Amino acid sequence: GIQVEQSPPDLILQEGANSTLRCNFSDSVNNLQWFHQNPWGQLINLFYIPSGTKQNGRLSATTVATERYSLLYISSSQTTDSGVYFCAVRSGSARQLTFGSGTQLTVLP
Amino acid sequence: GAGVSQSPRYKVAKRGQDVALRCDPISGHVSLFWYQQALGQGPEFLTYFQNEAQLDKSGLPSDRFFAERPEGSVSTLKIQRTQQEDSAVYLCASSLALGLAGRENPYNEQFFGPGTRLTVL
Repeated sequence: GIQVEQSPPDLILQEGANSTLRCNFSDSVNNLQWFHQNPWGQLINLFYIPSGTKQNGRLSATTVATERYSLLYISSSQTTDSGVYFCAVRSGSARQLTFGSGTQLTVLP
Repeated sequence: GAGVSQSPRYKVAKRGQDVALRCDPISGHVSLFWYQQALGQGPEFLTYFQNEAQLDKSGLPSDRFFAERPEGSVSTLKIQRTQQEDSAVYLCASSLALGLAGRENPYNEQFFGPGTRLTVL
C-alpha cells in the first residue's frame, strides 16, 4: 500500500513564529487531506488538497502531486495551534485514507 | 446534526466483555468509515460502508470485530470478548460521495467524529 511520511515528527515554536510541515507519499493520490488533532482528540479538517494551493487565514497548503509531496504552512503561530497535524491520502482503488504518523506541534507563549 | 457524533465518548471494559460503539454520520452522507487510533499513532482503517453495504472490512484485526449499518445511516462497531490490545480510540468518519476510485472529487472529503476511547482492563 501507499506510504505516507511526515516531517518533522516534533516541532516546538515560540508564539508568532512561522513553520512548514511536510508530507511525502509514495504513489499518486486521488485525495489528500490535512487535519489538526486537538488535545481532546478531535480531528479538525484543515484542507482538502489533492493538488494545487489553498489558503485559509494563517494557514496555507500546497500539494505538488507530480513530485509526491504536500506542505502545510502555519504563519504567526498561536498557542491554540498546538496539537498533532496529520496528512492523509487516498490512492488507487482504495476508498479509505492512509495517515502519516503526524507532526506534534507545541507553540510556547 | 452539524457533524459526526459518536457515543459513548469513553468506555472502560473488563477483558472478555463485549462492547458496542455507535456512530451517527452527517445527514445524507453515503460513505461511512471506521478507524482505530493507537496512542501516538495515526488512525488506521478498519472498515467502509457505502449506504448499508459493507464494501471493505479488510482492516478489521480479528473476527471479534463486527460492524453494521443496517439502514444506511447510524453504524455500530461491536467488539466481542475484548482484549487489552483492543484499547484505542475508535474514530468514525463520513463523506458525502461514494468515494469512487480514481476521482479527485471534493465530495469525497472525510469528516471525523470525536472518537470513542476504549480502555480494556
